[in-house]
Amino acid sequence: SAVISQKPSRDICQRGTSLTIQCQVDSQVTMMFWYRQQPGQSLTLIATANQGSEATYESGFVIDKFPISRPNLTFSTLTVSNMSPEDSSIYLCSVGDTGAANEKLFFGSGTQLSVL
Amino acid sequence: GENVEQHPSTLSVQEGDSAVIKCTYSDSASNYFPWYKQELGKRPQLIIDIRSNVGEKKDQRIAVTLNKTAKHFSLHITETQPEDSAVYFCAAPGGTSYGKLTFGQGTILTVHP
Repeated sequence: SAVISQKPSRDICQRGTSLTIQCQVDSQVTMMFWYRQQPGQSLTLIATANQGSEATYESGFVIDKFPISRPNLTFSTLTVSNMSPEDSSIYLCSVGDTGAANEKLFFGSGTQLSVL
Repeated sequence: GENVEQHPSTLSVQEGDSAVIKCTYSDSASNYFPWYKQELGKRPQLIIDIRSNVGEKKDQRIAVTLNKTAKHFSLHITETQPEDSAVYFCAAPGGTSYGKLTFGQGTILTVHP
C-alpha cells in the first residue's frame, strides 16, 4: 500500500485562526479523501479531494470552512478555517488502494488539532 | 445514505477467549465491508475486509462473516492476546462509493492477561 505522510502531526491553535494540513503520498493515487475523528468518536468523511477540480463535500461540511486543494495525484491540503473549539479533532487523509479494486482505504498518520 | 450500527461499544475478555463484534448496515447496494483497528494515538489500520460475493473470510486469528440478507457482518477474533486491545471500527460504502465509507461507532476491546 502507499505511504501516506501528513503534517503537522499535531497543533494547538487559537480561536479564529486557520490551519492548513498537508497530505503527501509516495505514489499516484486516484482517490483521496479527508476524514475527521472527533475526540472519542468514530470517523466521518469530510470530502473527496478531486484532482484538478473542486472537492466534493459531504452533508454538513462546506468549502468555506474546509477548503481543499489537490493540485496533483500525490498531494492534497485541507484547511480548517476560522477555527473554534468544536473543530478540535483528529483530521485524517486517506487514499484508495492503487490495486485494481481500488476499494481498500488507507489512512495517513493524522493531524491532532486542539483549538483554544 | 448508508447507516452503520456497531455493537457492543465496549468488550472485555480474558486472554485466550474469543471476541465478536457485530455491525448492521442499511444500504442493500453496499458490497464491500472493511474492519479497522485503531490503537491509542495511531491511525486506523485495515485488518480484514470482505466483499459481498462471499460469506466468510479468515486471516489467521481473525475472521469476518457476512449475511447480506440480514444486512449484518461480524468480526471474530480467536485466541485473543493483550496486543489485540484497541478500538475496532466496521464500515460500509453505501453502494459502490469506494473510499466514501460510513463507519460504525467503534468497539473498545480490552484483553486482560
